[in-house]
Amino acid sequence: AQKVTQAQTEISVVEKEDVTLDCVYETRDTTYYLFWYKQPPSGELVFLIRRNSFDEQNEISGRYSWNFQKSTSSFNFTITASQVVDSAVYFCALSEARNYGQNFVFGPGTRLSVLP
Amino acid sequence: NAGVTQTPKFQVLKTGQSMTLQCAQDMNHEYMSWYRQDPGMGLRLIHYSVGAGITDQGEVPNGYNVSRSTTEDFPLRLLSAAPSQTSVYFCASGYSGTEAFFGQGTRLTVV
Repeated sequence: AQKVTQAQTEISVVEKEDVTLDCVYETRDTTYYLFWYKQPPSGELVFLIRRNSFDEQNEISGRYSWNFQKSTSSFNFTITASQVVDSAVYFCALSEARNYGQNFVFGPGTRLSVLP
Repeated sequence: NAGVTQTPKFQVLKTGQSMTLQCAQDMNHEYMSWYRQDPGMGLRLIHYSVGAGITDQGEVPNGYNVSRSTTEDFPLRLLSAAPSQTSVYFCASGYSGTEAFFGQGTRLTVV
């Protein structure tokens, strides 16, 4: 069975602090895909990153970085030098190749508040 | 290129009424799906389609119906609305293994 856990329900930080959002997943498939989405207060879902199960290379994109570790089934997301515009709900999601690679299981989300 | 378009953006229904949420995409994606978002629960899959004429149930299909007559359109029907169906609904499309493209969402309230 697929499952995504985001243990942090809400996080508050002061602007310019670094913050890490945790994501732990469960899957029995050997080929799967992990995603992070951002949902700002306006409500739309913004795609941030995709990783497949064969690519454990960490990635940095500007102030964002992602740490994928298959050994701990984790796909954590770090924002460096946070800004007020980073305030949003962040979702981690999983899809399995055997489920068309598009049936997403989402975590419950982490609400990040960045205070000025 | 409009991406994924959902209508309406907001809707209020009375218990027992039926309605259809519209979803259209112009990216020629074979895969389309519907999710509902409830507080504290993330998004949950309602129904999905892997191509025209092919649909299947997701995690929470009860009370909803879908059909897929064209690649572009994937409407979601509420057969007899209930207060438990108050939620935000998202339509998505994509290719296997890639990110999903989401519509803007429909906020539905059933009173």
